[in-house]
Amino acid sequence: SQQGEEDPQALSIQEGENATMNCSYKTSINNLQWYRQNSGRGLVHLILIRSNEREKHSGRLRVTLDTSKKSSSLLITASRAADTASYFCASQADRGSTLGRLYFGRGTQLTVWP
Amino acid sequence: DSGVTQTPKHLITATGQRVTLRCSPRSGDLSVYWYQQSLDQGLQFLIQYYNGEERAKGNILERFSAQQFPDLHSELNLSSLELGDSALYFCASTPGILAGAFRNTGELFFGEGSRLTVL
Repeated sequence: SQQGEEDPQALSIQEGENATMNCSYKTSINNLQWYRQNSGRGLVHLILIRSNEREKHSGRLRVTLDTSKKSSSLLITASRAADTASYFCASQADRGSTLGRLYFGRGTQLTVWP
Repeated sequence: DSGVTQTPKHLITATGQRVTLRCSPRSGDLSVYWYQQSLDQGLQFLIQYYNGEERAKGNILERFSAQQFPDLHSELNLSSLELGDSALYFCASTPGILAGAFRNTGELFFGEGSRLTVL
């Protein structure tokens, strides 16, 4: 399978704490994306980092990318109860017949307690 | 609201039956993707259409088929349903235009999904 994997599978923290989720992928990529999914709802795009970028910020989100290790991390700072959701990384292949294909990991379930 | 509309939201049917899931992409988007999300398999890419033509195929079973119509809406047909087909089926769309290529290199816009339960 060319899917990536998130780590941890589940994360439980208190409001105000930071949450860090990691992602590993297998193919050479054009970019890596993070999505959020509230229970039973559609996925919502959070942030995209290109293969030539190492770090990107968006509000309380910080994403890093290490192409040599084929890994990425998503940091959510000062978490809120409303951040409770599943978070998925998706790697986008950059070559071959799967060019443009997005491969999703299995997700990290984040629970933020008030 | 992503602008992608999927119907029906929920569907309960019996094994052996056939269902059709419908997706209306965002206004102006030419590419439509179908994904299946189940507990054991995660989010699996099924198929992609661009401007009416099939462009990429993933883990789609032969019992499943899809098409994209001239008005760009898409339908996913699932036949001879089995218990294991119970899942959330998502449609996503993208502009699909990057220097004329159908291969998107940006974000996907997902619908809210159709939850299929096969009894």
